[in-house]
Amino acid sequence: EAQVTQNPRYLITVTGKKLTVTCSQNMNHEYMSWYRQDPGLGLRQIYYSMNVEVTDKGDVPEGYKVSRKEKRNFPLILESPSPNQTSLYFCASSLTGWGGQPQHFGDGTRLSIL
Amino acid sequence: QQQVKQSPQSLIVQKGGISIINCAYENTAFDYFPWYQQFPGKGPALLIAIRPDVSEKKEGRFTISFNKSAKQFSLHIMDSQPGDSATYFCAVLEAGGSQGNLIFGKGTKLSVKP
Repeated sequence: EAQVTQNPRYLITVTGKKLTVTCSQNMNHEYMSWYRQDPGLGLRQIYYSMNVEVTDKGDVPEGYKVSRKEKRNFPLILESPSPNQTSLYFCASSLTGWGGQPQHFGDGTRLSIL
Repeated sequence: QQQVKQSPQSLIVQKGGISIINCAYENTAFDYFPWYQQFPGKGPALLIAIRPDVSEKKEGRFTISFNKSAKQFSLHIMDSQPGDSATYFCAVLEAGGSQGNLIFGKGTKLSVKP
């Protein structure tokens, strides 16, 4: 089954404790991205990757890191999480990064930073 | 600056009624206008999309109406069903832009009452 898989689905942690949210897709997609979703603010892009070893900042990159060493994986790293990073996070992928391509989203990771 | 304005924020419709969600944009360079549907606990999924060379696109009970001169596009859900209850996001993408430039509206929570 074609899918984008995020882990963990839920995480409660404390300020300053480094964490990684993994994202994997099995569709051989070139493009991958991370969004955060907050009430009243919709979906805001954090980072995106047009292909392996190519990453770029989205609208809200502060406090986050990403890497794209393999085509299928695009982990999101919070080196020193803070309470304002409490949010619902989505990973997405699409066949290519150009033009109007459907983005396939994972089911989300709900992070609570205390 | 908010590049796409979505309204209403929430919408309650009776079963069998028509649901209408609107989006307005400023940048005339946008040339791809998708709508995403998100059910609780799930990631968004592409519902329907339109390019500016047509004024309307219909897929089943879902129709996008596009008004290029007014810089507006809307989603119409005919014969709304309780199963349509979800959050809907419009989005815009500039011609030649990468998926990294996809901009989402803030979402509309639709509730269809039996």
